Amino acid sequence: DTGVSQNPRHKITKRGQNVTFRCDPISEHNRLYWYRQTLGQGPEFLTYFQNEAQLEKSRLLSDRFSAERPKGSFSTLEIQRTEQGDSAMYLCASSLPSGGWTEAFFGQGTRLTVV
Amino acid sequence: KNEVEQSPQNLTAQEGEFITINCSYSVGISALHWLQQHPGGGIVSLFMLSSGKKKHGRLIATINIQEKHSSLHITASHPRDSAVYICAVLFRDNYGQNFVFGPGTRLSVLP
Repeated sequence: DTGVSQNPRHKITKRGQNVTFRCDPISEHNRLYWYRQTLGQGPEFLTYFQNEAQLEKSRLLSDRFSAERPKGSFSTLEIQRTEQGDSAMYLCASSLPSGGWTEAFFGQGTRLTVV
Repeated sequence: KNEVEQSPQNLTAQEGEFITINCSYSVGISALHWLQQHPGGGIVSLFMLSSGKKKHGRLIATINIQEKHSSLHITASHPRDSAVYICAVLFRDNYGQNFVFGPGTRLSVLP
C-alpha cells in the first residue's frame, strides 16, 4: 500500500489520558498536514511540516497538542490530558511541494473518542 | 482569510438524477480540490483543478477562477454516490501554502 497510512484507525480514551497518533506519508512527499474534523463539519487545519520543520501551527492547536516529524518521514500527533471536546476525526495528508500547486493525498483518519 | 462556502448543505436525489454541488471562495487560490468522504471518515480526492473542467467517469468538475466558483456534477447518480462532498481550496498567504475546507455537502441517493 503506497498511500498515506494512519494508525490507529480508532481510539477510545478516558478524559485526562494522553494519546498519540501516527501518520506515514507517501514516501516521496515532503509536506505533511494534520487536520481535525468534528461531526458535521469540514476538516480544520492544525499544522503542517515540510520535511522535519513544522512551518505552521494553527491557533486551534492548544498547548496540549504537539506534533513531530523527527526524520522528515512519519509524523506523530500527541494530545495530552484529553478532553471530551477533542473527540474528532484526525486526518493526515501528504503532498509534494511546488511553486504553483500541490496534490495532497489523505489518510483514512484516526477517530478519537474521549469518554 | 479565505472563506469557502458550499451549497446545498444537504441533498437527496433519486437514482439516475443529475446532481450539482457548488463551491465558492473569497480570495485567489492556487488550486481547488473536490473530496469525497464516506461514512467511516475516509477521504478520497476526486479532482484537483486550477482552471477549466475535468471529467472522470460520471463526475465532472468545473472551475471559474474569475468568479471564484466551482461546481461538481454527478451524472446518472447511484446510491453508491451517497457521501459527503467537500470542496477544499489551496492558497498562499503570509504563512505559506495551506488548505481551507468547505463545510461539505451531504448527498443521499435513493434507489
